[in-house]
Amino acid sequence: GNSVTQMEGPVTLSEEAFLTINCTYTATGYPSLFWYVQYPGEGLQLLLKATKADDKGSNKGFEATYRKETTSFHLEKGSVQVSDSAVYFCALSEGLASGSRLTFGEGTQLTVNP
Amino acid sequence: EPEVTQTPSHQVTQMGQEVILRCVPISNHLYFYWYRQILGQKVEFLVSFYNNEISEKSEIFDDQFSVERPDGSNFTLKIRSTKLEDSAMYFCASRARSTYEQYFGPGTRLTVT
Repeated sequence: GNSVTQMEGPVTLSEEAFLTINCTYTATGYPSLFWYVQYPGEGLQLLLKATKADDKGSNKGFEATYRKETTSFHLEKGSVQVSDSAVYFCALSEGLASGSRLTFGEGTQLTVNP
Repeated sequence: EPEVTQTPSHQVTQMGQEVILRCVPISNHLYFYWYRQILGQKVEFLVSFYNNEISEKSEIFDDQFSVERPDGSNFTLKIRSTKLEDSAMYFCASRARSTYEQYFGPGTRLTVT
């Protein structure tokens, strides 16, 4: 079956530091890949996506590149802010079929200190 | 911007009681989902729904669970006889045709005592 593995957390950074959160996946087909963010007390918000190999998703200064050869989709940001403190989830979905469940990683708690 | 809404935001119930969690998906979306997140754990898929029937369900979604789209706007999750281990945050999500992205509601926190 499909699975997503994220780097163990939590991650604590100072403001303006560089962020990497690692994500690797196992899938039987050619999945689409996503990063979702969950701010304290809120639901899941789609941060970015990539639907095929070598695609780069980007949003709000965050980027992730779909690497089929390493089955990875690492999240990066060049300069984090305090407001980026949240839990980040990597997820995959196998195509557009009516089921198309999302399979999530464990989540990585990011805390950014001033 | 359209969004998925869920009610109530928090539901407290006693073990053995029935609960219904409600969701209003984004209006032009056709695919609907329920997920749950037990405190401190990963988000888990429960069920997907399309064209008024279940498309796929996980092993978590046993006979105690059911889903329904009673009208053109609501999508509900019913738990017939709640257990302590059903305590979790329940998220509804929806997706448009021919797109990959699922949009999530804010969640309903279910506490079973």
